[in-house]
Amino acid sequence: NAGVTQTPKFQVLKTGQSMTLQCAQDMNHNSMYWYRQDPGMGLRLIYYSASEGTTDKGEVPNGYNVSRLNKREFSLRLESAAPSQTSVYFCASSLQTGGSYEQYFGPGTRLTVT
Amino acid sequence: AQSVTQLDSHVSVSEGTPVLLRCNYSSSYSPSLFWYVQHPNKGLQLLLKYTSAATLVKGINGFEAEFKKSETSFHLTKPSAHMSDAAEYFCVVSEGGATNKLIFGTGTLLAVQP
Repeated sequence: NAGVTQTPKFQVLKTGQSMTLQCAQDMNHNSMYWYRQDPGMGLRLIYYSASEGTTDKGEVPNGYNVSRLNKREFSLRLESAAPSQTSVYFCASSLQTGGSYEQYFGPGTRLTVT
Repeated sequence: AQSVTQLDSHVSVSEGTPVLLRCNYSSSYSPSLFWYVQHPNKGLQLLLKYTSAATLVKGINGFEAEFKKSETSFHLTKPSAHMSDAAEYFCVVSEGGATNKLIFGTGTLLAVQP
């Protein structure tokens, strides 16, 4: 039982390049989330997927797109990377949406855009 | 709208002494509250959660937190710090409803001195 896995662990991009961050969970969770973590700002929600086939914007969606490929997988795409997107990206999942359900986090992807 | 304020960005204690990490929240209804821990270069791990059951919540590794509605606080405590407790701690409130968006505090970095 691996929980939430993310690939890659590290990535360096040049401004304007594109890439996709992959996330998968093996806990049969319905809901999945993408966050970014910047120093002194905690984690901020980029996009989430309450269930397979649905996605919604979070607090900071600009410059990103997502795909809920199936129940297990939720990917985050940067179409044209910018230095402001240098951050650590975390994927998370929970059994359901609803306030009492805790979220389980992956190990993160450290992205640097030069 | 929900929000959380972590009152200390850094806390330093000696090994074997008590730990107190302070968190105040703002919520228009009875919230779900969480404490997560993040060790260096790792993902986030759930320490404990409050979801309107007992106001004193026990978590992993000897941590506990008390929900005080009158003070809108959810402080994290541990009777005796261990070196392995050195990490960053996040107080989190759930937005609840259909989305389960988590609102993160800015984090408290706990240092444990030998």
